[in-house]
Amino acid sequence: QVQLQESGPGLVKPSETLSLTCTVSGGSISSYYWSWIRQPAGKGLEWIGRIYTSGSTNYNPSLKSRVTMSVDTSKNQFSLKLSSVTAADTAVYYCARAYYDFWSGYSPFDPWGQGTLVTVSS
Amino acid sequence: QSVLTQPPSVSGAPGQRVTISCTGSSSNIGAGYDVHWYQQLPGTAPKLLIYGNSNRPSGVPDRFSGSKSGTSASLAITGLQAEDEADYYCQSYDSSLGVFGGGTKLTVL
Repeated sequence: QVQLQESGPGLVKPSETLSLTCTVSGGSISSYYWSWIRQPAGKGLEWIGRIYTSGSTNYNPSLKSRVTMSVDTSKNQFSLKLSSVTAADTAVYYCARAYYDFWSGYSPFDPWGQGTLVTVSS
Repeated sequence: QSVLTQPPSVSGAPGQRVTISCTGSSSNIGAGYDVHWYQQLPGTAPKLLIYGNSNRPSGVPDRFSGSKSGTSASLAITGLQAEDEADYYCQSYDSSLGVFGGGTKLTVL
């Protein structure tokens, strides 16, 4: 059973860079699409972007200028960097897995990590 | 503003049937992308409830069903139970990028 676990600082100062890592256990990171999704307190889900194990990325247009994702297949990990953060970036950040099938397209997000709260504050 | 539109809240008494709508456009649901549904209990990560418009993962009760037509999709829950009280999100793709509905809070009266 594949499990995902987010890790990283829970507090980031305004204008600095948020950095999170998702560790995949119980299965290989290869041949899947790995996404970051966030949820501000009391609000809905926002897809941040995804990275394939080849390193190919796609980002939400609203965040594209500030987002960088990377993958380390040797460690079964992938990472998120979000630059120039403000209070509006305070949220629970989730990592999740998806795959692509020629006939059905992109799959749903499953499984998800438990999420990690990142607060942007001085 | 979410790309997919859901009602903010729905409610029903135990045993009743409720539906949650998810309205998109010609660039997402109407373009043929599948719709997936997630259930989020308080303080937990979303859990996949329905995938590929109408399929249930193993372990999801058949009280939950999904459908899709045109630019919209729906989640139906029959035989409402207290433990169904949660937030529900639809999800699809738009130009191959992930998009979510704003979420619907289900209250079991």
